[in-house]
Amino acid sequence: EVQLVESGGGLVQPGGSLRLSCAASGFSFSTYWMNWVRQAPGKGLEWVANIKQDGSEKYYVDSVKGRFTISRDNAENSLYLQMNSLRAEDTAVYYCTRIIPVLTSYFDYWGQGTLVTVSS
Amino acid sequence: QSVLTQPPSVSGAPGQRVTISCTGSSSNIGAGYDGNWYQQLPGTAPRLLIYGNSNRPSGVPDRFSGSKSGTSASLAITGLQAEDEADYYCQSYDTSLSGYVFGTGTKVTVL
Repeated sequence: EVQLVESGGGLVQPGGSLRLSCAASGFSFSTYWMNWVRQAPGKGLEWVANIKQDGSEKYYVDSVKGRFTISRDNAENSLYLQMNSLRAEDTAVYYCTRIIPVLTSYFDYWGQGTLVTVSS
Repeated sequence: QSVLTQPPSVSGAPGQRVTISCTGSSSNIGAGYDGNWYQQLPGTAPRLLIYGNSNRPSGVPDRFSGSKSGTSASLAITGLQAEDEADYYCQSYDTSLSGYVFGTGTKVTVL
């Protein structure tokens, strides 16, 4: 059974940093692109970043470029999101998802999410 | 601000058919990219409902169907059931933004 379990969320002050983790199991992690998607409280979904199987390609939404870094450790079956210079507008539930890379990639498995709150 | 526009809400009685539109542009759905759909039940993570415009993953009931025409994608729910009450999001790829995009979301209410 495919499982994605996020951790690392919490309360952080504006300008602070946080590192999210996603533990993957039940599939061959190293053979899949992976994603972070976020959802602000009461709002819609927003794609944040994705990473190729070997980590050689990474893409970000404009609003987090230069502040967030996506990475992975295939030996540990883990995905990460390092978030620096956090802003109030980064407050959201962050979901880890697996990507099926076709013409229009889709996200077939999602974790339960971890809440990040940026507030003083 | 999303580049894929959905109606904020739709509603229907049990057994009825409802449709949700996802209006894009020439830089996403109209550029040949597919529409994918996700269902988010209250308090839970989204789950994949439709991929490649009209394909259902294993386990998704056949009362859910999808289509695409021009710059828009659509999701239809036939034989509406109480358990279908949820938020629904479309998703595609946008060449102008060079990234994945989601629709604004639609809340389905079963009367």
